[in-house]
Amino acid sequence: DAGVIQSPRHEVTEMGQEVTLRCKPISGHNSLFWYRQTMMRGLELLIYFNNNVPIDDSGMPEDRFSAKMPNASFSTLKIQPSEPRDSAVYFCASSSEDSEQFFGPGTRLTVL
Amino acid sequence: DAKTTQPTSMDCAEGRAANLPCNHSTISGNEYVYWYRQIHSQGPQYIIHGLKNNETNEMASLIITEDRKSSTLILPHATLRDTAVYYCIVRVGGRTYKYIFGTGTRLKVLA
Repeated sequence: DAGVIQSPRHEVTEMGQEVTLRCKPISGHNSLFWYRQTMMRGLELLIYFNNNVPIDDSGMPEDRFSAKMPNASFSTLKIQPSEPRDSAVYFCASSSEDSEQFFGPGTRLTVL
Repeated sequence: DAKTTQPTSMDCAEGRAANLPCNHSTISGNEYVYWYRQIHSQGPQYIIHGLKNNETNEMASLIITEDRKSSTLILPHATLRDTAVYYCIVRVGGRTYKYIFGTGTRLKVLA
């Protein structure tokens, strides 16, 4: 298995631009998680899905952030408009009911 | 809100056992303790988990106190490659669960 796949691995954009991060979970996993990691705040859970349905989005910082999971094999995290304070590493993780969470390699986002 | 507290950093000599403590005094009866580690900026990697009993696998051992208010992760023979940030996590929820991450312990294994 290829594990959790995230793209792009690095993204540099200018303030005000739209950013879309992508995640492909491990096949057969029915839960998907989006995290953000910064030096100041550590690892934060933004949102998670179960069977493609958002269960808890209380960690989403504001309306500029949105996440979708149109099917079991794909999810996106979108930031529009982006701001410099959104610069962070964004991780996607997936799990099944009987397993721990498996993390992807992350997307390093820099907003100038 | 984080449900775990860990020391910020620790050093360990190569080849010696590394004992990483974690306090989770507000843990509920059905909440699991998980340990992950993160090397550089890679995605966190699962190590071990437990509920009440002590657990051991090929990577580490997990000792949970009888009152479940604290636990210790033991790396029996630390190597330089074990240098990482180690997170003690409480898993909340049932079939649909989430992790509550703490701030982690930065372990440095010294040659």
